[in-house]
Parts: sequence; structure tokens; C-alpha cells
Amino acid sequence: DVKVTQSSRYLVKRTGEKVFLECVQDMDHENMFWYRQDPGLGLRLIYFSYDVKMKEKGDIPEGYSVSREKKERFSLILESASTNQTSMYLCASRLEGAIWYEQYFGPGTRLTVT
Amino acid sequence: GQSLEQPSEVTAVEGAIVQINCTYQTSGFYGLSWYQQHDGGAPTFLSYNALDGLEETGRFSSFLSRSDSYGYLLLQELQMKDSASYFCAVRPVGTNAGKSTFGDGTTLTVKP
Repeated sequence: DVKVTQSSRYLVKRTGEKVFLECVQDMDHENMFWYRQDPGLGLRLIYFSYDVKMKEKGDIPEGYSVSREKKERFSLILESASTNQTSMYLCASRLEGAIWYEQYFGPGTRLTVT
Repeated sequence: GQSLEQPSEVTAVEGAIVQINCTYQTSGFYGLSWYQQHDGGAPTFLSYNALDGLEETGRFSSFLSRSDSYGYLLLQELQMKDSASYFCAVRPVGTNAGKSTFGDGTTLTVKP
């Protein structure tokens, strides 16, 4: 079974702090994604990566950056955390070229910025 | 652009059948997916329709009609454990790496 893990389930940070959210997948998937999920707004794509060192902006990239130095790891960085970045953050991965369009999600990190 | 609309909430009783609709506006897409998410959990993949018609997987079925810009998830013999949020998603044509757009989700409550 594919496993996607995220470094923390719950995180509390202060406004202005630099925040790192880590995601690791164990199935050699090329594609990885970062979403945020807010009540009533579904899942919104922040950034995605289609291969090592390759990244592309999603729908809401402002205030975020990402890093993918190794295939299995995709990091989301909040350069200067703000209260409006309080949210649930979900990481996902997908096998490139898979016939079935299936993303595997991690358990999520609930980030609170105070 | 792409947008998907789903009802925000649906309530049904145990043993019943429920249909969760997803209407979309997109210029073109590869297929329609459905995900289930229990409260506090991660979304998990349920089904995928690349072509028009019905796909059946046990108690769950999914339907797509591209001509009507419409799809639905059908849940039969509802069980309490089916109480969850359900999301439809499309992967627009021309996008990289399987980037997809999700609907806002439908919260299904199953009552005894």
C-alpha cells in the first residue's frame, strides 16, 4: 500500500515565523501535491511537483514556496506565517501516467498561526 | 477555468440509497474522480469515470455524462460508516502532472 506521511498532525506557530511542512511518500511517485483545506472551500491546490526539482504553482501559491530535492520528499514552506494561513494542509502523491487518476493523501497537518 | 458544484449537505437513513451530484463547467477534462473523507481523516479515492456511463464498485457507483456536464456518486445500502464528506474532482486537459480541481465537497450524514 502507498503510504504518504506528514511530519506533524498538529502545529502551532506565531505570526512571522518560518514554517516547514514535510511530506514523504514511499511508492516512488513522480507527482506530489500540496493542498489546503478550509471549511466550505474544499481542497485548493497550493503547489505541485511533477519530478525532482520541478515545481509549478497551483491556484493559491501566494505566501508559500516548496522544495523537492528528493523524489520521495516534498516540503511546503511558509516564509512568514500569517493568521490567514491557519488551515489544514494535505499532501498527496500520484504515479505519473497511471490510467486511474488516483491521488494518495497524507493524514494532514492542522496548522494554527497565532 | 474550471468550477465544480456539489450540494453542501445531504442526509439519508441507514439502508437507503443516496445520490450526490456534481455539475461542472470546464472546457475539457480527462475524467471525473470521487473521493471520500471522514472527519479528521485523509481523502481516499473512490472511483474514476473516464468515459460516459456508470462505473460500479460494490455499494458505490459513479456516473458521468459529458454532454450534460454532470456526474454523480450513488451510494446504496447506506451504512453509518458512510457518513463523511465526498468530493468530485476533474483533471483539466492540458494540465501538468495530474493537476486537478476539486469541488467544495458534500457532507453526507447517515441517520439510524
